[in-house]
Amino acid sequence: SQQGEEDPQALSIQEGENATMNCSYKTSINNLQWYRQNSGRGLVHLILIRSNEREKHSGRLRVTLDTSKKSSSLLITASRAADTASYFCAPDLGANNLFFGTGTRLTVIP
Amino acid sequence: DTGVSQDPRHKITKRGQNVTFRCDPISEHNRLYWYRQTLGQGPEFLTYFQNEAQLEKSRLLSNRFSAERPKGSFSTLEIQRTEQGDSAMYLCASSPLLQGLNTEAFFGQGTRLTVV
Repeated sequence: SQQGEEDPQALSIQEGENATMNCSYKTSINNLQWYRQNSGRGLVHLILIRSNEREKHSGRLRVTLDTSKKSSSLLITASRAADTASYFCAPDLGANNLFFGTGTRLTVIP
Repeated sequence: DTGVSQDPRHKITKRGQNVTFRCDPISEHNRLYWYRQTLGQGPEFLTYFQNEAQLEKSRLLSNRFSAERPKGSFSTLEIQRTEQGDSAMYLCASSPLLQGLNTEAFFGQGTRLTVV
């Protein structure tokens, strides 16, 4: 499959806790992107990590990439209720499109 | 508003009718994507344009679906003889191509199609 597969499918945590989501893929990539989607809305780009990078930070987000294991993780620190959303990874094969998995549905309980 | 714009936001149609959706990408973004998303699923790739050229089309895409981007700016997605299974959110996204590398995609709010 060209798409990323997120794990877990659903995650429920208390506000203030950290949330970790994982993504696995099967082919070589140029980069990998993470997106967030609030219910019924469009996707919002969170972070892009290139294949020659191992870790990237953006605010409370930390993304790691292990190309040898074909996996990536997204860590959200000090979660907030507003972080409740679905999170998708999208491996970029360097071709012309992005393929998405079914996502991780994160619920942050106030 | 300089984001990706989709029109209409909602469409209800009777089975068998044709529908057309429009997407206006961010100005000067040369890449444009169409996706379809059903409840609880991730966006499913439909087709992709670079400028006016349709470079890839999903093999899962029925021949009832057609997309155009005639001047390399806005795009239209047409579904002919709609079926109830076509009910979904149709998402459009655009992205620039910088120095030959893919960058982030910007998504519109989508068009929700309901076929009754």
